[in-house]
Amino acid sequence: EAGVAQSPRYKIIEKRQSVAFWCNPISGHATLYWYQQILGQGPKLLIQFQNNGVVDDSQLPKDRFSAERLKGVDSTLKIQPAKLEDSAVYLCASSLVSGGLETQYFGPGTRLLVL
Amino acid sequence: GQQVMQIPQYQHVQEGEDFTTYCNSSTTLSNIQWYKQRPGGHPVFLIQLVKSGEVKKQKRLTFQFGEAKKNSSLHITATQTTDVGTYFCAGRGGSEKLVFGKGTKLTVNP
Repeated sequence: EAGVAQSPRYKIIEKRQSVAFWCNPISGHATLYWYQQILGQGPKLLIQFQNNGVVDDSQLPKDRFSAERLKGVDSTLKIQPAKLEDSAVYLCASSLVSGGLETQYFGPGTRLLVL
Repeated sequence: GQQVMQIPQYQHVQEGEDFTTYCNSSTTLSNIQWYKQRPGGHPVFLIQLVKSGEVKKQKRLTFQFGEAKKNSSLHITATQTTDVGTYFCAGRGGSEKLVFGKGTKLTVNP
């Protein structure tokens, strides 16, 4: 079974530039998450999709971040314009619920450095 | 909002020693999950606990969920160098949002 795919794996941009990340979840997983992981900290949820609908985006800085999941499969996360503090690893995860238990599968992440 | 705290932040052990990390939530949890993240890697799901007082074992790893469903622990018996990494707990509270702790970074001296 293929895992969660993310691209690019690394990105270096200057502040005020724009950047976009792509995620392809595991086939059949209805729920998709975007997390931001700053060095030395745990993942912080940015947005959760159930199929193509947003379940939770309360921690998404909506003045600069946007995300979409067209057709309920792939998803993109965009930052426009980027700030220095956006430097982090952006993790995508998809999940499956079986027997009442949810298992989240994380992709390899995109490491973003904003200069 | 819901907060999840983990201690210790760092733990260094000699190979063969035991290791325990503790997780505490500011609110009652519906369930708690544990993940392991190797250096340079991504979090990998280990287990989910749902019931009050639940104990689950995976080989040398023992996971516990507190009676009040506000705390949890992960205990590794006889650590090996392959256990190196950061262990995160993640709790799901009333908002149903999964909140991660800051993790415990484990290093093992061979």
